[in-house]
Amino acid sequence: AQSVAQPEDQVNVAEGNPLTVKCTYSVSGNPYLFWYVQYPNRGLQFLLKYITGDNLVKGSYGFEAEFNKSQTSFHLKKPSALVSDSALYFCAVRDADKIIFGKGTRLHILP
Amino acid sequence: NAGVTQTPKFQVLKTGQSMTLQCAQDMNHEYMSWYRQDPGMGLRLIHYSVGAGITDQGEVPNGYNVSRSTTEDFPLRLLSAAPSQTSVYFCASSRQSSYNEQFFGPGTRLTVL
Repeated sequence: AQSVAQPEDQVNVAEGNPLTVKCTYSVSGNPYLFWYVQYPNRGLQFLLKYITGDNLVKGSYGFEAEFNKSQTSFHLKKPSALVSDSALYFCAVRDADKIIFGKGTRLHILP
Repeated sequence: NAGVTQTPKFQVLKTGQSMTLQCAQDMNHEYMSWYRQDPGMGLRLIHYSVGAGITDQGEVPNGYNVSRSTTEDFPLRLLSAAPSQTSVYFCASSRQSSYNEQFFGPGTRLTVL
């Protein structure tokens, strides 16, 4: 079965600094990977996805993700963090007709 | 468009009671799914549907039933509620298949006493 792992429960970043939220995957075949964000007391919102093509995927709110096949990683990045980026971030992978989520990483942006 | 709607927003049940969580979408999406979110566990897939009349089990289907009689609606039934089913439940939908971005509802917070 396909799976993703998010090795950090929480990440703290100072406002204005670059941020990275890590995700590694385990798949057989071509991976289809996603990032979602959850703001407090809200449902999840789609940020970006990787299906094929360029290893750098651009998404919503200035986020991007880098697909690295040799390291089986799909890290989420942003060049300059905003306080409003503070939220819970989920990596996900497609497994046949199912979307399987990681456990989430809470991102705190410190003013 | 209202997007994905879920009712109720909050619910408290006693052990052994049954109930149905409602989910509806007005985007004509073929694919719909139910997840539960628990602290430290992330989102876990309960059931999903690739179209009207077709449902399948996810990661944690035990204790839950679903049906998909129309494209718009995908209700989740708790047959006999247990405290372990205390959670926040999210419904989601996407166009055509799981390749596409999912749109999530606002969630239902369920407490089973």
